[in-house]
Amino acid sequence: GAGVSQTPSNKVTEKGKYVELRCDPISGHTALYWYRQSLGQGPEFLIYFQGTGAADDSGLPNDRFFAVRPEGSVSTLKIQRTERGDSAVYLCASSSTQGSWTEAFFGQGTRLTVV
Amino acid sequence: GEDVEQSLFLSVREGDSSVINCTYTDSSSTYLYWYKQEPGAGLQLLTYIFSNMDMKQDQRLTVLLNKKDKHLSLRIADTQTGDSAIYFCAESPISGGYNKLIFGAGTRLAVHP
Repeated sequence: GAGVSQTPSNKVTEKGKYVELRCDPISGHTALYWYRQSLGQGPEFLIYFQGTGAADDSGLPNDRFFAVRPEGSVSTLKIQRTERGDSAVYLCASSSTQGSWTEAFFGQGTRLTVV
Repeated sequence: GEDVEQSLFLSVREGDSSVINCTYTDSSSTYLYWYKQEPGAGLQLLTYIFSNMDMKQDQRLTVLLNKKDKHLSLRIADTQTGDSAIYFCAESPISGGYNKLIFGAGTRLAVHP
């Protein structure tokens, strides 16, 4: 596709349930990032993939959060035992290389609401 | 640790200049960015500057960097109603070798006639 695609665009789930959020990066982009944006805040870094491996997962808030990128393209962010505090917009970004200056292109995000 | 701070709200008249300010804390060499976020749209990179530069101009946008005070500003000339959005300042330390962005909370720009 032309840009970073995230599905679903909206997800409503009950407290305690498991959710998966999907990110399709721009074709050929080796670097992939997940961010979380809470209401009224800027995006916060969660995890960075270079290829298939998670090179930096220091932003994951706790062990309920996990992300994979098994083939170095599509990534899935998985949240177990969701809590109301997990409600936010989850953003995915990709870039062509891992260098410090390479433009990161953002998807439109998945709005997660935990009720 | 790294921290980025911005004022939360700015209101300007159409045709005037807008100046959005940001302060950051990372003392190492870093890239600094301005992103724009409109309702229903993703984050759009507007411009960026490396920390060894003082100024960068791109059409209606001017970025000024005061390294001593760790202060970054974005000036939008001839502000239009289409410029109404939330503007995020972000930094990315180059020591990490990858583009890990640290964002401010965003400045909401409202442009009125």
